[in-house]
Amino acid sequence: QVQLVQSGAEVKKPGASVKVSCKTSGYTFTTHGISWVRRAPGQGLEWMGWISTSSSNKIYAQKFQGRVTMATDTSTSTAYLELMSLRSDDTAIYYCAVNAGTYFPLDFWGQGTLVTVSS
Amino acid sequence: SYVLTQPPSVSVAPGKTATITCGGDNIASKSVHWYQQTPGQAPVLVIYYNTDRPSGIPERFSGSNSGNTATLTISRVEAGDEADYFCQVWDSTGDHVVVFGGGTKLTVL
Repeated sequence: QVQLVQSGAEVKKPGASVKVSCKTSGYTFTTHGISWVRRAPGQGLEWMGWISTSSSNKIYAQKFQGRVTMATDTSTSTAYLELMSLRSDDTAIYYCAVNAGTYFPLDFWGQGTLVTVSS
Repeated sequence: SYVLTQPPSVSVAPGKTATITCGGDNIASKSVHWYQQTPGQAPVLVIYYNTDRPSGIPERFSGSNSGNTATLTISRVEAGDEADYFCQVWDSTGDHVVVFGGGTKLTVL
């Protein structure tokens, strides 16, 4: 069965960076892209971007451009999200999700990684 | 940018039918996906491409999309259906980006 296992919770200070990993299994990694989504306390779902797992294509939400980097490692079927210059309002649960591409749904989700930004 | 509008909350008695709407400009021209998120859990896809149900999702969940409104309908509501529900589309005006509705909290009375 498809599984996405994310790295553990992180506590960061304002201005720092965080890197979240998402290890996949149960399907062929390079056939489906990965979207990253976050949910801040009391807020809804917010899409951060999408990365192809078979090419260098990426789409970053405008809000995060310049501050986010998405990457993949096909040798370990793992996707990565790095968010820089953290602020307190970046405190959220970050999710990865299998997402074949444009117009496709986000089929399967990781369990989420809590990132807390606090001084 | 494209905006999806959902009611913040919907309440329904057990055994009744819940209807959750998702409004957007000519949303019928787009494919709408729906997600269920219970407290402490990751979102789960419950309806994709307006009307299709993934394997394992009960037939009680159904979707429609017409005009400016997409609708998620949950029949014979159970206590376990209490959750936040989000609609989602891809906005292809400019860059292709994912847009989520603000979410609807379904309360089972």
